[in-house]
Amino acid sequence: GENVEQHPSTLSVQEGDSAVIKCTYSDSASNYFPWYKQELGKRPQLIIDIRSNVGEKKDQRIAVTLNKTAKHFSLHITETQPEDSAVYFCAATYRENYGQNFVFGPGTRLSVLP
Amino acid sequence: EAQVTQNPRYLITVTGKKLTVTCSQNMNHEYMSWYRQDPGLGLRQIYYSMNVEVTDKGDVPEGYKVSRKEKRNFPLILESPSPNQTSLYFCASSLSLTARQYFGPGTRLTVT
Repeated sequence: GENVEQHPSTLSVQEGDSAVIKCTYSDSASNYFPWYKQELGKRPQLIIDIRSNVGEKKDQRIAVTLNKTAKHFSLHITETQPEDSAVYFCAATYRENYGQNFVFGPGTRLSVLP
Repeated sequence: EAQVTQNPRYLITVTGKKLTVTCSQNMNHEYMSWYRQDPGLGLRQIYYSMNVEVTDKGDVPEGYKVSRKEKRNFPLILESPSPNQTSLYFCASSLSLTARQYFGPGTRLTVT
């Protein structure tokens, strides 16, 4: 199936700094790219998503950018706060024999240090 | 309240004893999926379903079965569990493949 790579696997930032997580995909037909946040002991929850016809999307302190030519998309978190500490997963749709499916990246553990 | 429920939340069992983990959603979602989460390996898809009676394998289907007889339910069946199936399992549903997935609370399974 499709492979989504995610970097870095761990990231530590000082409170108030920015954090950037990058994902790459290989299927040029991928058209939907969500980001999920999973706090310790909890279920993953969608924080932002972007579709292939858009280059950037923002929601308060978080933003996602998509570069279709290079086949990568990135999550940007500005003015990080301790509650941003979590594991973040990117994901992408991809083509299968008769339709589409969905795959997650391996995750990035973000630690925001006070 | 819109939600995805899973049962049981915790299960300890022995090798070879058949078990079923139930998943139910009340949002009339068409797409449902099962994932297993292991440390350092992220969320790996086991099986997914695009609609009633339509299911297909994900990345790690070996040792698992699913069925989708009703839109709201998507049970995960382990016919003969083995210790390598010890994991945290999540069910998820969404209106379509390109829509937000809602995750259940997770089922922590231990096979001894």
